[in-house]
Amino acid sequence: QSALTQPASVSGSPGQSITISCTGTSSDVGGYNYVSWYQQHPGKAPKLMIYDVTNRPSGISNRFSGSKSGNTASLTISGLQAEDEADYYCSSYTSSSTWVFGGGTKLTVL
Amino acid sequence: EVQLVESGGGLVQPGGSLRLSCAASGFTFSNSWMHWVRHAPGKGLVWVSRINSDGSTTSYADSVKGRFTISRDNAKNTLFLQMNSLTAEDTAVYYCTRPGYSISWGWRHWFDPWGQGTLVTVSS
Repeated sequence: QSALTQPASVSGSPGQSITISCTGTSSDVGGYNYVSWYQQHPGKAPKLMIYDVTNRPSGISNRFSGSKSGNTASLTISGLQAEDEADYYCSSYTSSSTWVFGGGTKLTVL
Repeated sequence: EVQLVESGGGLVQPGGSLRLSCAASGFTFSNSWMHWVRHAPGKGLVWVSRINSDGSTTSYADSVKGRFTISRDNAKNTLFLQMNSLTAEDTAVYYCTRPGYSISWGWRHWFDPWGQGTLVTVSS
């Protein structure tokens, strides 16, 4: 049950696009289309942003999009806004019938 | 409105026990699978445990297996996490969360919504 690998930090200027990667194995990310992404502001509960690799829940801006290639999933945020500054976590279902999260990525909007 | 409210956190000594509760409202709790996820200070989210709707099946992360027990009281719309043999590594905010649901596929593999969390601190 090793954590999925995410970059510790990414940054971008308002209006730019950034991509956060999430690397696992064929037993989790690569084996299932069950990757989800969460946004967490300091002191707040996580918020679902993307589910099943590419799907956005109602109410989530279309500036957020997800994709996957092999054992790596990605979250792209376009048109960066100040309120996007937060920690982002990926998650995947695993072949052990458990769930695993990434270590988290701190997004800084410059 | 779907709401999850955790309680029961606090300061406990190493080797001690604590029981967390999660009160659910705004949905049919007795039909819902439920999970616990924790967030240690300065670290990432970690999935802890899952229980099915009637409590007959459970699963745990290796790090808590044999020490933590997830359970539920559907009559009281409440989820529990009994934590024993606690160590400093268990210090975290503990969240209860509900998985997504699909009419076609049943309980799914994303988490929404989440409670506000309850802080557990293991220290002497």
